[in-house]
Amino acid sequence: SQELEQSPQSLIVQEGKNLTINCTSSKTLYGLYWYKQKYGEGLIFLMMLQKGGEEKSHEKITAKLDEKKQQSSLHITASQPSHAGIYLCGADNRDDKIIFGKGTRLHILP
Amino acid sequence: NAGVTQTPKFQVLKTGQSMTLQCAQDMNHNSMYWYRQDPGMGLRLIYYSASEGTTDKGEVPNGYNVSRLNKREFSLRLESAAPSQTSVYFCASSEYRVGNTEAFFGQGTRLTVV
Repeated sequence: SQELEQSPQSLIVQEGKNLTINCTSSKTLYGLYWYKQKYGEGLIFLMMLQKGGEEKSHEKITAKLDEKKQQSSLHITASQPSHAGIYLCGADNRDDKIIFGKGTRLHILP
Repeated sequence: NAGVTQTPKFQVLKTGQSMTLQCAQDMNHNSMYWYRQDPGMGLRLIYYSASEGTTDKGEVPNGYNVSRLNKREFSLRLESAAPSQTSVYFCASSEYRVGNTEAFFGQGTRLTVV
């Protein structure tokens, strides 16, 4: 079965600094999703990547799917307190299911 | 525009009690899912329903049952709650054959079993 591994598990960053979160799949990714979850709340869709090499941006958040479609990175530029939360990558495993990584907890220090 | 609605938002159960978590979506999606989220474990799929009338087990189905009542509603039942089922439960829905669209999530149900 397909597995998604996220790294790091937890990240503490000074406000204004850049950061990167990685998501690695054990199998080829057909659809890769990034979600953000504020503590104690539901998930908010950030973006979806499908094609190898594809890169998408939303405000200061950029995500890329590598050419081999087995890894995605999420990059935040000039982090702000509003970026704090749990970031989850999810994948379509072509079996009517969406599976998720364990998440990366991001803390932003003022 | 309600999206995915879960009830209740909070629940405390005693060991051995039963309860049903309700989920409804108003987006005419075919696929619906139940996940549980535990610290350090991310989201784990309990059951899913690819279409009305079908349900399938996910990663962690033991101790749970589901019913796809109609296209809108997908309920999760705990017949005899155990402390290990203390978790946050999320319902989600999406179009069939996800890969072209996103999944929409409810706000979650925080369940504590004492």
